[in-house]
Parts: sequence; structure tokens; C-alpha cells
Amino acid sequence: SAVISQKPSRDICQRGTSLTIQCQVDSQVTMMFWYRQQPGQSLTLIATANQGSEATYESGFVIDKFPISRPNLTFSTLTVSNMSPEDSSIYLCSVYTTEAFFGQGTRLTVV
Amino acid sequence: GESVGLHLPTLSVQEGDNSIINCAYSNSASDYFIWYKQESGKGPQFIIDIRSNMDKRQGQRVTVLLNKTVKHLSLQIAATQPGDSAVYFCAETRANSKLTFGKGITLSVRP
Repeated sequence: SAVISQKPSRDICQRGTSLTIQCQVDSQVTMMFWYRQQPGQSLTLIATANQGSEATYESGFVIDKFPISRPNLTFSTLTVSNMSPEDSSIYLCSVYTTEAFFGQGTRLTVV
Repeated sequence: GESVGLHLPTLSVQEGDNSIINCAYSNSASDYFIWYKQESGKGPQFIIDIRSNMDKRQGQRVTVLLNKTVKHLSLQIAATQPGDSAVYFCAETRANSKLTFGKGITLSVRP
């Protein structure tokens, strides 16, 4: 199993600013993922965070808007840049070992 | 806190009855399927999984059925309890890569 610590758990941000979300895992994992869950919706994969190389982004998501860092096998960050109210969502970090484990999520509200 | 299930379809069942939650998946090449439970304010929690070489798998009070012919997955919960109230998501993946989530259903248990 894997225990994931994600922070902050929630934040209220002004439009035009940026927020960096941190994800810490209690063991080394190869695959880390960032998901977005908009209000009342399912989870959508933003990108796969690769250790030692650039993240792999899904269609509709770009590095300039969602820069990701993966400095080692236990840690990753996701930044939501130049925020607008449409970015208000829950952002979730996930790791895959024998199954997919999720952090508690970061509930972001942009005003 | 805000419920992520506000805009999702709702299944309402009487406490003690059996629940059946259905999911249609999209990729006929998917070979691994998972059901997740998400309670308000939390990340998704693994319930049960099934691989494509099986059509049924049982856990404690839960059973997952897979029909590859019609790309259909179902989750059966026996003797539904108030603690089962949550949003339920199915997810599919191929070769243990990224997960694709279904739309989600809110299960509401009536006392």
C-alpha cells in the first residue's frame, strides 16, 4: 500500500494568482498522476509526473497552465497558474503500485 | 462540506437491501477494472477490482461483475448500510497504465 499526503487540503485564491499543490508519498513509486475533479463530475487525468523528465500531459491540459515537478520518487508538485474561477475544482494526486492510491485532494476555490 | 455527488445520478436504496451500481466502459482493450468509493471531502477509495480474464469477483459484501461483450461493469453491495452512502466510480485501464474514470453514481441509503 501507499500513504499519500497532499497539501494544502483547501484554499481560496484570487484570480490571476498561482497555487502549488504538494504530494508526498511514504514509499518510492515510479508512476504518479495528477487528476482534476470539477464540481459534481468524475476524475479527469491532467498529467503523468515522470521522475527526471517532463510530465506527460493529457489532451486539453498544457504545461504552461499546469506545470509539474517530480524531483524524486516520493514527491511531486502541481501548480495551477494564472487561475480563473473555472479552475475551481478538487485536485488529486495518485500513485500506482499494485493498485491506484489517492491523496485526500486539494479543494481549490478561485474568486 | 460540499458533496461531489450533487450533479451525479442518484441511486436510493433502503438500508438492508442489496444495491446494484452499473457502469459502461469505453475501451474494449481495457484489461483491468476497479470500483472506487468517494465520501464527501475525501479522495477515492479502492473497493474491488477485476481483470478481463474473469467475469465475477467477490469481496466482503461486494461483488463485481464484468461483461466484456457489452462493455459493462457492475458493483453489487449486499445488505446496504448507511456507511455505504457515497459516490461510486468505475475505472478502466490497459496494461496497468493511466486510469479512465466513469461518470459516477451517488448511492443514498435510506434508514
